[in-house]
Amino acid sequence: DVKVTQSSRYLVKRTGEKVFLECVQDMDHENMFWYRQDPGLGLRLIYFSYDVKMKEKGDIPEGYSVSREKKERFSLILESASTNQTSMYLCASSLRGSYYEQYFGPGTRLTVT
Amino acid sequence: AQKITQTQPGMFVQEKEAVTLDCTYDTSDPSYGLFWYKQPSSGEMIFLIYQGSYDQQNATEGRYSLNFQKARKSANLVISASQLGDSAMYFCAISPQGGNQFYFGTGTSLTVIP
Repeated sequence: DVKVTQSSRYLVKRTGEKVFLECVQDMDHENMFWYRQDPGLGLRLIYFSYDVKMKEKGDIPEGYSVSREKKERFSLILESASTNQTSMYLCASSLRGSYYEQYFGPGTRLTVT
Repeated sequence: AQKITQTQPGMFVQEKEAVTLDCTYDTSDPSYGLFWYKQPSSGEMIFLIYQGSYDQQNATEGRYSLNFQKARKSANLVISASQLGDSAMYFCAISPQGGNQFYFGTGTSLTVIP
């Protein structure tokens, strides 16, 4: 079974803190993705990576950065957390190529106070 | 540009009845894939079904089927014989040629009534 894990299910941080969200997949997938999910807005892509050390901006990259030093791990970094980054964050992975489904982790619900 | 529209924010269905969740899309790519995901209250997104734009037949997976009408740019999900465990959010997504990115709709909340 494909397994995508995220470091925390729930996280509470203060405004201005640096926040790291970790995602690990165990199926040797080339592609990894970070989304945020907000009510009424669906899933919006923050960043994705198609290979180690490679990254591409998604629709809403502002305020975020990512790191992919190993194939199985994709980190999302909030350099200085703000209250408008309170959200559910979902990590996903997939094989490279056309139309492979994405496999998702359980999500991290981040609250910034 | 890609766009997915799900116009039904909430739906109710009686247990054992069938239900259709609507999805329309907009894309300029000649080749694309369409996906449906289920998100229970636990939060994890579960892949349900896939339809390729050049597939002649509608996709089916158990109680799930995809009513694909290419000319109308619609990809509705049909769930037959609804069960209480089908209560969840359902998301439609499109992946254009190349397949690296998905674009999701805003979702439909389905409640199955006993």
